[in-house]
Amino acid sequence: GEEVAQTPKHLVRGEGQKAKLYCAPIKGHSYVFWYQQVLKNEFKFLISFQNENVFDETGMPKERFSAKCLPNSPCSLEIQATKLEDSAVYFCASSQTSGNTIYFGEGSWLTVV
Amino acid sequence: GIQVEQSPPDLILQEGANSTLRCNFSDSVNNLQWFHQNPWGQLINLFYIPSGTKQNGRLSATTVATERYSLLYISSSQTTDSGVYFCAVLYTGGFKTIFGAGTRLFVKA
Repeated sequence: GEEVAQTPKHLVRGEGQKAKLYCAPIKGHSYVFWYQQVLKNEFKFLISFQNENVFDETGMPKERFSAKCLPNSPCSLEIQATKLEDSAVYFCASSQTSGNTIYFGEGSWLTVV
Repeated sequence: GIQVEQSPPDLILQEGANSTLRCNFSDSVNNLQWFHQNPWGQLINLFYIPSGTKQNGRLSATTVATERYSLLYISSSQTTDSGVYFCAVLYTGGFKTIFGAGTRLFVKA
């Protein structure tokens, strides 16, 4: 597609439940990134992929967060056993090549209650 | 890791005024982008500007990579310019784009 498509737009989970977010990058883009933004504050980098390979995962809280980009499927970000502090907007972005402009989706708003 | 600092953190303007936002970064970068996050949370690409100067309507940006800073100029501001402006850099030490903390702009009618 012509834009980064994220689903769902809004997700509400009870504390301890699982949350799964999806991202379809722009067609032809090889790189995918996930960011977390809490209360419109700073963007925290989580993980990046080059095609289906993890490129950089230094921002991932590994005990509860996982992510995948499989061929012919949307990328996904999964949070096991959500906590209140996971409430945030999760943005996905893609770029064509390393160093190119990155384009962001509209974000998925996760609320943990 | 690389540090990205934006100034000022907050800015209030009267409609029609001009402003300059600054982004300093602590290491060499491959890429620099400016984004506007509107009050609805959407991130809008303003400029891809690893070096040089670009203009788009009332907005322009300049990056001086050798001195590790970038400037975003907003002229004749409008209320629709309100929101948060982020500078984001792709540093050469790894493949991730790092954001500054943003400049929160409010333009009064």
